[in-house]
Amino acid sequence: QSALTQPRSVSGSPGQSVTISCTGTSSDVGDYNFVSWYQHHPGKAPKLMIFGVSKRPSGVPDRFSGSKSGNTASLTISGLQAEDESDYYCSSYAGNYIHVFGTGTKVTVL
Amino acid sequence: QLQLQESGPGLVEPSETLSLTCTVSSGSISSSSYYWAWIRQPPGKGLEWIGSIYYSGSTYYNPSLKSRVTMSVDTSQNQFSLNLNSVTAADTAVYYCARLFYYDSTTYSRVDTFDMWGQGTTVTVFS
Repeated sequence: QSALTQPRSVSGSPGQSVTISCTGTSSDVGDYNFVSWYQHHPGKAPKLMIFGVSKRPSGVPDRFSGSKSGNTASLTISGLQAEDESDYYCSSYAGNYIHVFGTGTKVTVL
Repeated sequence: QLQLQESGPGLVEPSETLSLTCTVSSGSISSSSYYWAWIRQPPGKGLEWIGSIYYSGSTYYNPSLKSRVTMSVDTSQNQFSLNLNSVTAADTAVYYCARLFYYDSTTYSRVDTFDMWGQGTTVTVFS
């Protein structure tokens, strides 16, 4: 099971929107609507931001949104804020109780 | 608020067995809606799912680690554990335990997301 592919980094100015892609295969992202996104500040516990492709847990700002098309899922952060600077990871169910994570993306707020 | 806390040695010698325990507090490990998982992050790399365990003891492992991994659960102690044998420097990582929200009984639907995480514990393999 190979890791899902994410861009190494994306950046944007405060108030702008950034989108992170997460590309898998027809055996994981393309086959299941169980894609999640996590925000991970180094040294801290990862935080769930999106699950089920586009659902937000309670307490996550609606600036964060998720979508999927084919084998690629996306996380969009609208109205970028300084506190959004972090690492972001996607994950997907891959069948047979197996899960796979993305390679991770560093979001920089300019 | 449910909490997860990893514990175990921070240093392991090559070829030995890495053993970690995750203690779950303010919540039961025996809930039918959740699995319990181990995930790791080697230095400078991304997250890697190691495996998941149900309170009944059913286990599911990453195929790339399956031959070296054993997970177990102790419902009386509200803990689950990871054993990784024959370790090498490549197993040096921050190890996280997490809750896998599997099934939402209020909406009768699968969820499959890691919704709660421990702070992580660093394990270094060196002699």
